Amino acid sequence: EVQLVESGGGLVQPGGSLRLSCAASGFTFGDFWMSWVRQAPGRGLEWVANINQDGSEKYYVDSVKGRFTISRDNPKNSLCLQMNSLTADDTALYYCARVGRYSLSPTSWGQGTLVTVSS
Amino acid sequence: DVVMTQSPLSLPVTLGQPASISCRSTQSLVYSDGNTYLSWFQQRPGQSPRRLIYKVSNRDSGVPDRFSGSGSGTDFTLKISRVEAEDVGVYYCMQGIHGPYTFGQGTKLEIK
Repeated sequence: EVQLVESGGGLVQPGGSLRLSCAASGFTFGDFWMSWVRQAPGRGLEWVANINQDGSEKYYVDSVKGRFTISRDNPKNSLCLQMNSLTADDTALYYCARVGRYSLSPTSWGQGTLVTVSS
Repeated sequence: DVVMTQSPLSLPVTLGQPASISCRSTQSLVYSDGNTYLSWFQQRPGQSPRRLIYKVSNRDSGVPDRFSGSGSGTDFTLKISRVEAEDVGVYYCMQGIHGPYTFGQGTKLEIK
């Protein structure tokens, strides 16, 4: 069974940093693209970033470019999102998701970790 | 960026009746490989999203056959043949070929 467990969320002040992690199990982690998707309170879904199987390709939504960095550690079955220069607009539930091998969309999702940016 | 527009945004449905959600994209979602990368997701209250449909009309494993997807190019539809209580939630379409991936605004399905 595919399992994705996010951690690292919390309350951070504007301008601060946070590092999210996602522990993957139940599948061959290194065979799949991975994504971060976020959902602001009471709002819809917003794709944040993608990373390919070996970490050589990374893509970001414009609003986080230059501030967020997605990375992965295949031997440790781990996905990370380093978030810097956080603003209130980054407040959201952040989901880790596995991208379908041939479908270009997230097939499995974690439960999410909540990031709150507030003074 | 490709904008995904769903309608309606609110969908009250009587149990056992059909439901239909429209999704339109500002660019064609046909990729160079000939596939169309349009997916549908369901998010029940308090839960993570779950993918229902991928590449327009392919149901994911475990998805009831009352859910179906159709469409082409820029115009897509999710249909539920007979709504059940467990279908309550928000439904999103998503495109996966034009960076960044983008989701529709979501359609909230509720029982009348």
